[in-house]
Amino acid sequence: DAKTTQPPSMDCAEGRAANLPCNHSTISGNEYVYWYRQIHSQGPQYIIHGLKNNETNEMASLIITEDRKSSTLILPHATLRDTAVYYCIVRVPYSNSGYALNFGKGTSLLVTP
Amino acid sequence: DGGITQSPKYLFRKEGQNVTLSCEQNLNHDAMYWYRQDPGQGLRLIYYSQIVNDFQKGDIAEGYSVSREKKESFPLTVTSAQKNPTAFYLCASSIDVYGELFFGEGSRLTVL
Repeated sequence: DAKTTQPPSMDCAEGRAANLPCNHSTISGNEYVYWYRQIHSQGPQYIIHGLKNNETNEMASLIITEDRKSSTLILPHATLRDTAVYYCIVRVPYSNSGYALNFGKGTSLLVTP
Repeated sequence: DGGITQSPKYLFRKEGQNVTLSCEQNLNHDAMYWYRQDPGQGLRLIYYSQIVNDFQKGDIAEGYSVSREKKESFPLTVTSAQKNPTAFYLCASSIDVYGELFFGEGSRLTVL
């Protein structure tokens, strides 16, 4: 089962900041939070990841609450090309010897003109 | 250019036939993955491999098989035991199981 909860859909006006929330209340102390996005019918694209500190790169910023039970992905100036499904993921152990990323349904972000 | 190549992009097969989807990477990554995506749904993990000659089942491995004889290659066979094989299949790789995933463009399988 997915360990994250995201709203199924969000809208954002072009040029405005898009703030995508994610709840991960059962996250373990050593689990990272990853964000990916998927444009229609393409493979997902990595955006950013973090453990406990806020992170920023050329695509987005990731804000993680102090208790690590939730996070927010921020696209500072959304463009029409940011319309995609955004996945918030925590690493899930599938066996004693390995890990893999468990993608849920994500948030469908629509950026409007 | 480095990347992941999946083939074929589109595939049609008759019910009851086995199908093999190809996934090749030249990124020198140790870990490789197969995901399945159904319309309007997220990705579900089928199999993953941390290293050559080793692979582990994901959430929905039944009806699928894989091999990892070479570092660069991780083919997925959809067998006749898979009850509903029509889907979009995505292959990914990462430098190790903790690294970011790089995805291929996907293979869309339709079983008639």
